[in-house]
Amino acid sequence: GDSVTQMEGPVTLSEEAFLTINCTYTATGYPSLFWYVQYPGEGLQLLLKATKADDKGSNKGFEATYRKETTSFHLEKGSVQVSDSAVYFCALLGAGNNRKLIWGLGTSLAVNP
Amino acid sequence: DTEVTQTPKHLVMGMTNKKSLKCEQHMGHRAMYWYKQKAKKPPELMFVYSYEKLSINESVPSRFSPECPNSSLLNLHLHALQPEDSALYLCASAQEGWGYEKLFFGSGTQLSVL
Repeated sequence: GDSVTQMEGPVTLSEEAFLTINCTYTATGYPSLFWYVQYPGEGLQLLLKATKADDKGSNKGFEATYRKETTSFHLEKGSVQVSDSAVYFCALLGAGNNRKLIWGLGTSLAVNP
Repeated sequence: DTEVTQTPKHLVMGMTNKKSLKCEQHMGHRAMYWYKQKAKKPPELMFVYSYEKLSINESVPSRFSPECPNSSLLNLHLHALQPEDSALYLCASAQEGWGYEKLFFGSGTQLSVL
């Protein structure tokens, strides 16, 4: 079945450092891919998405490119801030009839001043 | 208004209590969801309502009983819970009947079962 694999955390960075959180997937067909973020004490928010190969999602300085050849959707940001400290979830929406989000395990990011 | 509002934010209940969680959205979304989330884990889907009808029940124990009185409201009735049911309960909504394309989440109810 469909699955999502995320790099394990926690990830600890200094402010202004470069961030990469790896996400790879297994799916039949052409899934849609998402990054959700959960700030402390809050629900999840959609950060960005891509619905077809080579699409780049971007928001708040974060980017991720849908790479079908490597089945990846890595999250990147050039210069992180303390306010980016959160848990990041990669997710997949299959192309089949059971349109159920498949979640990665999440990666906790802590950014120090 | 792009918010999903959940009440209460925190709830402590005993194993014999009956309580309800409430969720409200005014975005005109016709799909509403209940998720359960343990700390720093991904959310687990519990129920999905599409056009006010229950469309998905992920084999959730009957001590959890969902209700969708209208297209803006979603309740989760709790009865005879177990300590392992302690978790963050998240409500979400989406624009399409089956649309998971963009979920809008509430801030959740942090539930503790004693």
